[in-house]
Amino acid sequence: DSGVTQTPKHLITATGQRVTLRCSPRSGDLSVYWYQQSLDQGLQFLIQYYNGEERAKGNILERFSAQQFPDLHSELNLSSLELGDSALYFCASSVTWGGGVNTGELFFGEGSRLTVL
Amino acid sequence: KNEVEQSPQNLTAQEGEFITINCSYSVGISALHWLQQHPGGGIVSLFMLSSGKKKHGRLIATINIQEKHSSLHITASHPRDSAVYICAVNNYGGSQGNLIFGKGTKLSVKP
Repeated sequence: DSGVTQTPKHLITATGQRVTLRCSPRSGDLSVYWYQQSLDQGLQFLIQYYNGEERAKGNILERFSAQQFPDLHSELNLSSLELGDSALYFCASSVTWGGGVNTGELFFGEGSRLTVL
Repeated sequence: KNEVEQSPQNLTAQEGEFITINCSYSVGISALHWLQQHPGGGIVSLFMLSSGKKKHGRLIATINIQEKHSSLHITASHPRDSAVYICAVNNYGGSQGNLIFGKGTKLSVKP
C-alpha cells in the first residue's frame, strides 16, 4: 500500500459529460502529480500541485483542470468528455516538489479507470 | 523519435533466468526512475537514480549518465516478476514528478 488513495477506481460515463477524480496523497506529502495512461499515448504527465499551488504543467488539455485543497487532497476535473479521454488516470505524491533537486521517490495511487462511451 | 526508448518491448523468460531491460534517453536529466506496473494497473516505484547503481533484493538498476543509458536487472527471475517495467526521466531542472515515460517492457516469467 503506497498510502496514496484514488477514487473512484472505475467510472463509466458518456461523451460530453464531466467527471471529477480525487486523490489523497500520503500523509506529509505536499506534492501531487496527475498522469494519464492511454493505449495510444502511453503514460503522460498532466499537472503538478505543491502545497495548493500549481507548479508544473504537462500535456493537459484545456478541458481538464485540477486543484489542490488546503487538506492537500487534489481533484482532477475532466469536462466535455470525448471517447479518446478513456484512460487510466494516476496520481502520485512526494514530500517536496523537487525543482531539479531530487528529494525522494514518488508514490503512486492505484489509478482511476475512466471509460467514455 | 521518442525521448525515452526501452528495449525489448516484450520479454519472455523462464523462472530463474537473469533478465536485463534497457533504457536510453536523449534529454538532459536530473534523475531516472524505474517503475513496475502489474496487470491490475497499479504502479510501484522501484528505483530513482541519478548516478551509479542501486540494488534492492533481486533488482539492480544502473545508470551511465555519459552514455544516457540505464539498465534494470532481475536476478533469479520468478513468475511474480511478470509485469510491465517502465523507464521514466526527469528533465534537468524540472519538477520531480514531471516525467517523460518510455513505452514500457512487458515481462512474462514462465514457471
